[in-house]
Amino acid sequence: QQQVKQSPQSLIVQKGGISIINCAYENTAFDYFPWYQQFPGKGPALLIAIRPDVSEKKEGRFTISFNKSAKQFSLHIMDSQPGDSATYFCAASRSARQLTFGSGTQLTVLP
Amino acid sequence: NAGVMQNPRHLVRRRGQEARLRCSPMKGHSHVYWYRQLPEEGLKFMVYLQKENIIDESGMPKERFSAEFPKEGPSILRIQQVVRGDSAAYFCASSPPTGFGYTFGSGTRLTVV
Repeated sequence: QQQVKQSPQSLIVQKGGISIINCAYENTAFDYFPWYQQFPGKGPALLIAIRPDVSEKKEGRFTISFNKSAKQFSLHIMDSQPGDSATYFCAASRSARQLTFGSGTQLTVLP
Repeated sequence: NAGVMQNPRHLVRRRGQEARLRCSPMKGHSHVYWYRQLPEEGLKFMVYLQKENIIDESGMPKERFSAEFPKEGPSILRIQQVVRGDSAAYFCASSPPTGFGYTFGSGTRLTVV
């Protein structure tokens, strides 16, 4: 019940395209859903996060869509750039404490 | 405003030795979390600490692993008698009391030879 399932495992997108990464969770007690970006040799960096009282949150080119009834949430990266090439992790937690991470998506944006 | 500082960045230990990983939280952050990342995997929660107090250690292996966050100084993750399976990247994160604004350090990459 603590798992967060993330897909796809890897994603290749052309420059300017839309990257979409999906996550699903089981634990209905989760109330905080962040997305992290990680470059090789670095720690995860918070990109954007959402609480379950809203269905969508947008920050620049990054949008989270949240479907509470389906227990799913997704990250959309608009106008994807080569500099966006990284590993993306979704996560979920209760009250922003212990984070349960997805397994990661390796995004490659081709120039 | 320095971020979360972890040291060392890389640590090599022989099997049976002890590994000590240090983490200094961001200024104003009183909560520290440790995570482990195996190659090609996501991060797994290990332990959550406040100053002088372990709040949640449900992700810590029962043996050989311990963590502390003393009143003064950095948080320490200690691994005794390391084995090859302990080789991983260990990340520390800190947050203010609300929990929001979770910030990760750059990690310590432990290699056991």
